[in-house]
Amino acid sequence: DQQVKQNSPSLSVQEGRISILNCDYTNSMFDYFLWYKKYPAEGPTFLISISSIKDKNEDGRFTVFLNKSAKHLSLHIVPSQPGDSAVYFCAASAVLGSGNTGKLIFGQGTTLQVKP
Amino acid sequence: DVKVTQSSRYLVKRTGEKVFLECVQDMDHENMFWYRQDPGLGLRLIYFSYDVKMKEKGDIPEGYSVSREKKERFSLILESASTNQTSMYLCASSFDEGLTTEAFFGQGTRLTVV
Repeated sequence: DQQVKQNSPSLSVQEGRISILNCDYTNSMFDYFLWYKKYPAEGPTFLISISSIKDKNEDGRFTVFLNKSAKHLSLHIVPSQPGDSAVYFCAASAVLGSGNTGKLIFGQGTTLQVKP
Repeated sequence: DVKVTQSSRYLVKRTGEKVFLECVQDMDHENMFWYRQDPGLGLRLIYFSYDVKMKEKGDIPEGYSVSREKKERFSLILESASTNQTSMYLCASSFDEGLTTEAFFGQGTRLTVV
């Protein structure tokens, strides 16, 4: 049962335009959301995160929006650059009742291609 | 900078072999994780550990075991490798800070079982 879903396997945009990557989740206990970027043959690197008490977080060209009622988040990249071409993973976590930090649950990933 | 180091970038093993994947982190993180990445399936959690000698199963633990004897080291063991365990394996670590669960990843190990 996929708790975090990225329904678009791929996205292609022109350099300078906006890229919008989407992510849906099913578990209402998730309270922290992250986006990771992955290049081939490398490990994922953290990009941006958002807590469930916020609906928007911005860091330079990257903005993450959270709609809790819809259980949906999105990553906006503007303007998109060719170096942004990578696989983007959405992840979610929930603090477990035992006090242990929640494990990260990942979506399937979306491959972004930014064309020059 | 946080560094998570996986012992091998590429491995080729035979069916039935016992395989050890090693991961070391240098930031005194409490939590460590093993994921595998497969096309169309994203990153799936195999096992995680929130303290030395503590471990919990992830979503796909079958065919795997783990060991955490020291805080900085987390090993993934394939007891008897099979071809369906051919995959990219990713180790990660994070602080136990409640909401701030950003995980740092190693570079990955591409395992091929023949």
